[in-house]
Amino acid sequence: EVQLVQSGAEVKKPGESLKISCKGSGYSFTSYWIGWVRQMPGKGLEWMGIIYPGDSDTRYSPSFQGQVTISADKSISTAYLQWSSLKASDTAMYYCARADGGNSHFDYWGQGTLVTVSS
Amino acid sequence: DIQMTQSPSSLSASLGDRVTITCRASQSISSYLNWYQQKPGKAPTLLIYDASSLQSGVPSRFSGSGSGTDFTLTISSLQPEDLATYYCQQSYSTSWTFGQGTKVEIK
Repeated sequence: EVQLVQSGAEVKKPGESLKISCKGSGYSFTSYWIGWVRQMPGKGLEWMGIIYPGDSDTRYSPSFQGQVTISADKSISTAYLQWSSLKASDTAMYYCARADGGNSHFDYWGQGTLVTVSS
Repeated sequence: DIQMTQSPSSLSASLGDRVTITCRASQSISSYLNWYQQKPGKAPTLLIYDASSLQSGVPSRFSGSGSGTDFTLTISSLQPEDLATYYCQQSYSTSWTFGQGTKVEIK
């Protein structure tokens, strides 16, 4: 059974760093892309970027380029989304999702990680 | 970025009604168009991919059509469990984008 299990909710202060994770199981982790999607409170879905763990090819939305870093450790089948300096506006639910190609669709989703940034 | 515009932003329909949601791309995206359903408090799920292919396990009352810039998601007979927000998403470019969503309510 394909599963994407995300790390737990986080509460952080502005300026702090954060790395959240998404662990894949039940499939060949290096043969599929993993993407990240933001959903701010009461708002729609925003595509942030995507990584191919097989060769670490990474693509970012222009809106998120330079604001976050997407990475993956194929040895432990885990993808990451990280911030070096959080802002209050980063408060959101973050989902990871699997895609079978760079021009494909998200067929499996993680349960989401809620990130709250507040002083 | 390719912009995706959905209409309407919300709709209210009765059980058994035929519901149609439209998605328009700012440029041609061929058939690289997907539809997702998000129920309240849950992660999104894939309904339709490549404009018209039904994802495994999705009820046949859902269908998709279109190519180029104009696409449609149709629910042939609205059911109580279809209460959700629906999003289109293009994967034509290297930077994917979602539409703003359409909230479907039951009258």
